Amino acid sequence: GAVVSQHPSRVICKSGTSVKIECRSLDFQATTMFWYRQFPKQSLMLMATSNEGSKATYEQGVEKDKFLINHASLTLSTLTVTSAHPEDSSFYICSAGTVGNEQYFGPGTRLTVT
Amino acid sequence: GQQLNQSPQSMFIQEGEDVSMNCTSSSIFNTWLWYKQEPGEGPVLLIALYKAGELTSNGRLTAQFGITRKDSFLNISASIPSDVGIYFCAGRAGGTSYGKLTFGQGTILTVHP
Repeated sequence: GAVVSQHPSRVICKSGTSVKIECRSLDFQATTMFWYRQFPKQSLMLMATSNEGSKATYEQGVEKDKFLINHASLTLSTLTVTSAHPEDSSFYICSAGTVGNEQYFGPGTRLTVT
Repeated sequence: GQQLNQSPQSMFIQEGEDVSMNCTSSSIFNTWLWYKQEPGEGPVLLIALYKAGELTSNGRLTAQFGITRKDSFLNISASIPSDVGIYFCAGRAGGTSYGKLTFGQGTILTVHP
């Protein structure tokens, strides 16, 4: 089956620094990639939708200048959390979608900002 | 915006019991999906439903797409300890398979041996 990977799986950073999270579709080319964040025991909240080579579409309330998304190829999207603060600590999950198939989710990245 | 109400929020059951959970929406969806998430992992698709009234099974799991297109349920029969996890419903209003999803709040399932 289709596999989506994320790197790193866990990251701890200091407040004020930036962190980049990678999302890769390993064995298929993704039409669209999605970024979600999830707080403990809560649901997945869509942050943004990205298509290769174009600007991401952010959901209402998500700061585009804080959460930078780059979708450089059909198999790679990156999320950069800029000037991270403790309230940005969360579980970030990406998914990749392709025509005719449901989204495949990555294993998630646990971000802790100290 | 679209909202999904998923219930119950949590369930504590004995191994062997059947489980039922459901989702309702304030608006119509064209697709209903059910996912399972285990701690520290991403969601895994269990069942996908594409037509109103559709009833689909995957092993011990059965899900239905409500006839009004505003609800769906998931049943798990003869639960086992490895069924433990968080179950999410998700709906998609758009017509493409890669359109964005709206997730329910999740049902935390605990199965006692």
